[in-house]
Amino acid sequence: QQPVQSPQAVILREGEDAVINCSSSKALYSVHWYRQKHGEAPVFLMILLKGGEQKGHEKISASFNEKKQQSSLYLTASQLSYSGTYFCGTELPPFTGTASKLTFGTGTRLQVTL
Amino acid sequence: DTGVSQDPRHKITKRGQNVTFRCDPISEHNRLYWYRQTLGQGPEFLTYFQNEAQLEKSRLLSDRFSAERPKGSFSTLEIQRTEQGDSAMYLCASSPRAKGPRGEQFFGPGTRLTVL
Repeated sequence: QQPVQSPQAVILREGEDAVINCSSSKALYSVHWYRQKHGEAPVFLMILLKGGEQKGHEKISASFNEKKQQSSLYLTASQLSYSGTYFCGTELPPFTGTASKLTFGTGTRLQVTL
Repeated sequence: DTGVSQDPRHKITKRGQNVTFRCDPISEHNRLYWYRQTLGQGPEFLTYFQNEAQLEKSRLLSDRFSAERPKGSFSTLEIQRTEQGDSAMYLCASSPRAKGPRGEQFFGPGTRLTVL
């Protein structure tokens, strides 16, 4: 089942912060975050593992709440280059017959303006 | 290594024709994935290879779709008797061998298919 992302879209001024959420109805093994710019391939940002690990990437960090099966992506002091569509991809636990495929959410479109 | 490559980048075909796409993963990546993405949606899983073995295929995938990875290196995705609903971006991704949680997937630039 496809994870639900919120918000669907957000517009920020450069320097502002944003939070993007990804919720699943299934118990997850990991959550992957990708950013895709128009006409380009998705680019990997980070992986969140079950256990509430928090990973960081420059000014982008994320968390994974295992109890809620929810991951949040935090963008601080946004830059123009952060513009794009952000997708979470969820992975189910091993031995569930899913062979490590990712199920992606519908995306959150982020636009950073001057 | 320059990353995952896909060929062609664009393909326009008439309904009913067969098309074949190629994906060259990052060398030494033993895992290869095919996804399909339509406008405004996230990538949708199609199939997965570990080396030359096709380990999973989406139940949503029509019998008109077939994929191969004959020597565990490059992969091909064929769509027979194309339909207008097949129009989409077809993405290939690869990831290295990893213990535990799967590693990041590196995506290629995609092949945009338009069925007229």
